[in-house]
Amino acid sequence: EVQLVESGGGLVQSGGSLRLSCAASGFTFRSFSMIWVRQAPGKGLEWLSYISYSSDTISYADSVKGRFTISRDNAQNSLYLQMNNLRDEDTAVYYCARVGGSYLTNFDYWGQGTLVTVSS
Amino acid sequence: DIQMTQSPSSLSASVGDRVAITCRASQSTYTYLNWYQQKPGKAPKLLIYGASSLQSGVPSRFSGSGSGTEFTLTISSLQPEDFATYYCQQTYSLFTFGPGTKVDIK
Repeated sequence: EVQLVESGGGLVQSGGSLRLSCAASGFTFRSFSMIWVRQAPGKGLEWLSYISYSSDTISYADSVKGRFTISRDNAQNSLYLQMNNLRDEDTAVYYCARVGGSYLTNFDYWGQGTLVTVSS
Repeated sequence: DIQMTQSPSSLSASVGDRVAITCRASQSTYTYLNWYQQKPGKAPKLLIYGASSLQSGVPSRFSGSGSGTEFTLTISSLQPEDFATYYCQQTYSLFTFGPGTKVDIK
């Protein structure tokens, strides 16, 4: 069974940093690209960052470029999101998801999410 | 950047109703279009990928159609467990979600 479990969320002051983790199991992690998506309270879904299976392709949404860094450790079956210079508007539930479909890309498995609250 | 819109933003329907949600892209995404269902407090769930392909395990009452800039998610006979928010997503140029359509009980 595919499982993705996020951790690392919590309360942080504006300007602070936080590192999210996503532990993967039930599939060959090193063969799949991964992404982070967030959802602010009462709002829709926002894609944040993408990392290819080998880490050679990385992309960011403009809203987090220069502040957030995605990375992965295929030996540890783990995905990370380093978040620096956090702002109030970064308050959200953060999800990791697996990128499925070699051609018709989709996000086929999701974690349960971890809540990040940024307080000024 | 490709922008996505959905209509309606919300709808009220009864069990057994046929429901259709429209998604439009600011430029062609060909068939790089997915649909997700999200229930309160839960992670999104992939329903349809490639505009019309049903994800494994998803009931056949869900279907997707369209290509280019206009797409439709149809639920042929609404069930109690289908009351949720539905999002479209383009994957032609990076990734963009639509704003969502909330389906609730009439």
